[in-house]
Amino acid sequence: AQSVTQPDIHITVSEGASLELRCNYSYGATPYLFWYVQSPGQGLQLLLKYFSGDTLVQGIKGFEAEFKRSQSSFNLRKPSVHWSDAAEYFCAINTGGFKTIFGAGTRLFVKA
Amino acid sequence: IAGITQAPTSQILAAGRRMTLRCTQDMRHNAMYWYRQDLGLGLRLIHYSNTAGTTGKGEVPDGYSVSRANTDDFPLTLASAVPSQTSVYFCASSGTTGAVDGYTFGSGTRLTVV
Repeated sequence: AQSVTQPDIHITVSEGASLELRCNYSYGATPYLFWYVQSPGQGLQLLLKYFSGDTLVQGIKGFEAEFKRSQSSFNLRKPSVHWSDAAEYFCAINTGGFKTIFGAGTRLFVKA
Repeated sequence: IAGITQAPTSQILAAGRRMTLRCTQDMRHNAMYWYRQDLGLGLRLIHYSNTAGTTGKGEVPDGYSVSRANTDDFPLTLASAVPSQTSVYFCASSGTTGAVDGYTFGSGTRLTVV
């Protein structure tokens, strides 16, 4: 069965520190991969996506993600976190149909 | 500003009552979706529509119905609300069938069934 796992329910980082959010998926081939961000009381916003090609993809707000086929992973990174990055982050996959599968989310807390 | 408008923003509803959540998009996207978001469960697909006039069932369709009379509108109806339908509901759209370009989401409707 297809699934998305985000191992960390929540993460706390200091402002200015680097960030890595983990995402692993289960699927027999390479799916379409996405990261979304959700600020409190808001809908989800697409940060970046991967279909094929260069395994390091750049997104909005200074985020990037790296696809690793051997590990079935698509981890999200940011070199220097800002207080405004505090939000919930969702990894998602789509296998070409109408159903996008979302992970349960990782809540990011940023401390001053 | 192009995007998705959902209404109402929040609602408290008595069990057994009928309720329609509204969703309108102005991006001329073909595909639209309804998700519910529950703590610890992420987002689960309720229904989808790949084009006007067609709809399909998602992962958790029971107790919900949708219609797609035109490109812009995709209402979600709870025929007889139950407390387990307390959730935050998100409408989304995508410009290509299959959602491979990613979604645009509305701001959500917080529904409490008492």
